[in-house]
Amino acid sequence: SQKIEQNSEALNIQEGKTATLTCNYTNYSPAYLQWYRQDPGRGPVFLLLIRENEKEKRKERLKVTFDTTLKQSLFHITASQPADSATYLCALPSYSGAGSYQLTFGKGTKLSVIP
Amino acid sequence: DAGVIQSPRHEVTEMGQEVTLRCKPISGHDYLFWYRQTMMRGLELLIYFNNNVPIDDSGMPEDRFSAKMPNASFSTLKIQPSEPRDSAVYFCAIAGNTEAFFGQGTRLTVV
Repeated sequence: SQKIEQNSEALNIQEGKTATLTCNYTNYSPAYLQWYRQDPGRGPVFLLLIRENEKEKRKERLKVTFDTTLKQSLFHITASQPADSATYLCALPSYSGAGSYQLTFGKGTKLSVIP
Repeated sequence: DAGVIQSPRHEVTEMGQEVTLRCKPISGHDYLFWYRQTMMRGLELLIYFNNNVPIDDSGMPEDRFSAKMPNASFSTLKIQPSEPRDSAVYFCAIAGNTEAFFGQGTRLTVV
């Protein structure tokens, strides 16, 4: 099964700086990789999906890269704001047999943006 | 969150009691997942269903855990008997073939 590692449990950065979060996986490269945001007391919320043939994807201040050689995805938040403070999780799908699809999540990185 | 309704939001129970967690997903998604989240282990997949059929329950920690999905709009996760180490937040999520939509979770405390 896929093992996912997110580089740090917690990351503190100054408002206005770029936050960079890392997601590494160990086994086969999936067809795509996803990033979610989780706020305290709530379920994870989908942010972005990047496919294996896409090197980079952007959505407003978010940028995700996907390097299947390194087995790594980077998640960037530019011009960070205190409202970006949350836990960010990466997730990878796996398929095995008919009707078998599951999402495996990393433990997440708790980002704190300091005013 | 509006796509998946979980109840109760919080549950406190005594060790040995039966606990039933409920999930009401909106229709139109093929997959339903039950996850458990703790600080130590993060989000762990317990079981998932495809078109109401259980596909993989290898993540269920013990026989004390069971899950059902009698129809596309309802699923339950039951723990019987409950133990303090079952304390966690339990999430229900639905998915097509890509992103998942999570409910707000049930925070379970077993004392």
